[in-house]
Amino acid sequence: GENVEQHPSTLSVQEGDSAVIKCTYSDSASNYFPWYKQELGKRPQLIIDIRSNVGEKKDQRIAVTLNKTAKHFSLHITETQPEDSAVYFCAASKGGNNRLAFGKGNQVVVIP
Amino acid sequence: DTGVSQDPRHKITKRGQNVTFRCDPISEHNRLYWYRQTLGQGPEFLTYFQNEAQLEKSRLLSDRFSAERPKGSFSTLEIQRTEQGDSAMYLCASSLGTGDWSGANVLTFGAGSRLTVL
Repeated sequence: GENVEQHPSTLSVQEGDSAVIKCTYSDSASNYFPWYKQELGKRPQLIIDIRSNVGEKKDQRIAVTLNKTAKHFSLHITETQPEDSAVYFCAASKGGNNRLAFGKGNQVVVIP
Repeated sequence: DTGVSQDPRHKITKRGQNVTFRCDPISEHNRLYWYRQTLGQGPEFLTYFQNEAQLEKSRLLSDRFSAERPKGSFSTLEIQRTEQGDSAMYLCASSLGTGDWSGANVLTFGAGSRLTVL
């Protein structure tokens, strides 16, 4: 099955700086790649997603880039704020099959 | 209908007891998923339903686990003869799946049911 890995496991950034989290996947047939944010004690919530026919997608301070050849995709957060502190999970799935395989998560800490 | 609801939010039980969790998905969503999450890990897929049909079960799902979605609406996850290793957060999620690669497959998660087995 699909194997999703995230690096680094923990990332600390100064408020206002950018944060980048990288995710790799194993199954070249995967074509849907979402990022979920989970704050302490809360449910995972989708923040951005990308499909394999697109190389980059942006939504305000958040962007995701996809490299299908290398089988990795990254989450970019610009102008980080304290409320960006959370665990971020990447995931991957194949079209028509919504079973998402999640990575182990990245803890992002924004230092005021 | 404000989202995915799960009940109970917390359950403490003794080893060997049976527990059941309930999930009420977003009403128009045809797909329902169960995931398990332990501390410091990402959600691990357990099983999913499309309408009332259980389409896939993970190898993680031992014979002690059973899930149902009898009318294609709410779902239950039962764990029989609980073990300490079953302690985890059990997350339910739902989505509107269209079956093709370009279809919507955005999961909306519930708040989870936390199980502690003593």
